[in-house]
Amino acid sequence: EAGVTQFPSHSVIEKGQTVTLRCDPISGHDNLYWYRRVMGKEIKFLLHFVKESKQDESGMPNNRFLAERTGGTYSTLKVQPAELEDSGVYFCASSQGLNRATYEQYFGPGTRLTVT
Amino acid sequence: GNSVTQMEGPVTLSEEAFLTINCTYTATGYPSLFWYVQYPGEGLQLLLKATKADDKGSNKGFEATYRKETTSFHLEKGSVQVSDSAVYFCALSAGDQGAQKLVFGQGTRLTINP
Repeated sequence: EAGVTQFPSHSVIEKGQTVTLRCDPISGHDNLYWYRRVMGKEIKFLLHFVKESKQDESGMPNNRFLAERTGGTYSTLKVQPAELEDSGVYFCASSQGLNRATYEQYFGPGTRLTVT
Repeated sequence: GNSVTQMEGPVTLSEEAFLTINCTYTATGYPSLFWYVQYPGEGLQLLLKATKADDKGSNKGFEATYRKETTSFHLEKGSVQVSDSAVYFCALSAGDQGAQKLVFGQGTRLTINP
């Protein structure tokens, strides 16, 4: 079974540019999460999709970040325009269901974003 | 709000040494507790978990016990190996259903020397 995949693995952009990160969850997983780790600090939650709906977007830092999950499969996270403080590692995770038997989150390898 | 505090790194040990990485939490209700590990060049992997007080999670020789009275979930291993070198994250998930966002500590980088 394929795991969670993320693309690209590394992106270097200039301040003011736009970047789109992609996450492909494990097939059949309804829940998809985005997290990020900035400057070696703790990993922080950004948002949670259940299928194509945003269940919780309380962690999105500002309106420069836009996440979508059309059709309830893969998800994209767009940063426009990027700022220096957006640099970090962006992780995607997916889980199968909502109950305690199926809620384990499986993480992708992350996308390292560097804004210069 | 919910939060996790884990011991600052980096931690450097010799092979076969005893390992403890401290983790304490603040949460409302009855959270589930997790330890995730990130090996070099890889994504986060779930190492172990505990879903209620006094539960002990264990995997690959690592153990952690959910201590509600001290709000702690310390990670231990009796004899570490070079292959255990990684970054370790303590995390909690609050809410009854469990399918909630994870709240992470800041991570502890562990290096094991041969």
